[in-house]
Amino acid sequence: DSGVTQTPKHLITATGQRVTLRCSPRSGDLSVYWYQQSLDQGLQFLIQYYNGEERAKGNILERFSAQQFPDLHSELNLSSLELGDSALYFCASSVVAGGTDTQYFGPGTRLTVL
Amino acid sequence: ILNVEQSPQSLHVQEGDSTNFTCSFPSSNFYALHWYRWETAKSPEALFVMTLNGDEKKKGRISATLNTKEGYSYLYIKGSQPEDSATYLCAPNTGTASKLTFGTGTRLQVTL
Repeated sequence: DSGVTQTPKHLITATGQRVTLRCSPRSGDLSVYWYQQSLDQGLQFLIQYYNGEERAKGNILERFSAQQFPDLHSELNLSSLELGDSALYFCASSVVAGGTDTQYFGPGTRLTVL
Repeated sequence: ILNVEQSPQSLHVQEGDSTNFTCSFPSSNFYALHWYRWETAKSPEALFVMTLNGDEKKKGRISATLNTKEGYSYLYIKGSQPEDSATYLCAPNTGTASKLTFGTGTRLQVTL
């Protein structure tokens, strides 16, 4: 158990809908990262927040947005969902935001868009 | 976009065999290399963070070396056990950014 929690574990929804994925980082970690794992792709970095501020952006679609709240939990919002958004979404956290910081991964949320 | 290559894609060994796999990455702007172990139905688990050329890290039967000048890292597993079966991912980062670019991994299966 990494100490990172994600809810829900599974989510099934329809195309065009909007969902919110939630992540609570390890106690004391200030940085939160979101990654997407699709069927035929590796782990793709989406976005990073550090202490409430956006720090880095990856291949995140405009239909997706995220935020980190004052209590440091983070939410990833996915809207106008398409079939291709079906994937495993991981949240990770680290103490600060340095390149040598170990990122601890949560259990993931499996999103299925029908 | 960083080009990260891992080889082989998959590997099947017998219990007790030693094995190794490769992670190749661009050597320019290198900052650190992360290795992760990812078991099926679980989440990626950090193994090593490596920064210095010639660095060698060890954790039990697993060790890794780093060559930043030529842009590669080797992961070694000595005396493989069935519980070592997992996908091993490497992820370099550049500059001081903590964003990781993961390779597609080497899937290791260890049988009795």
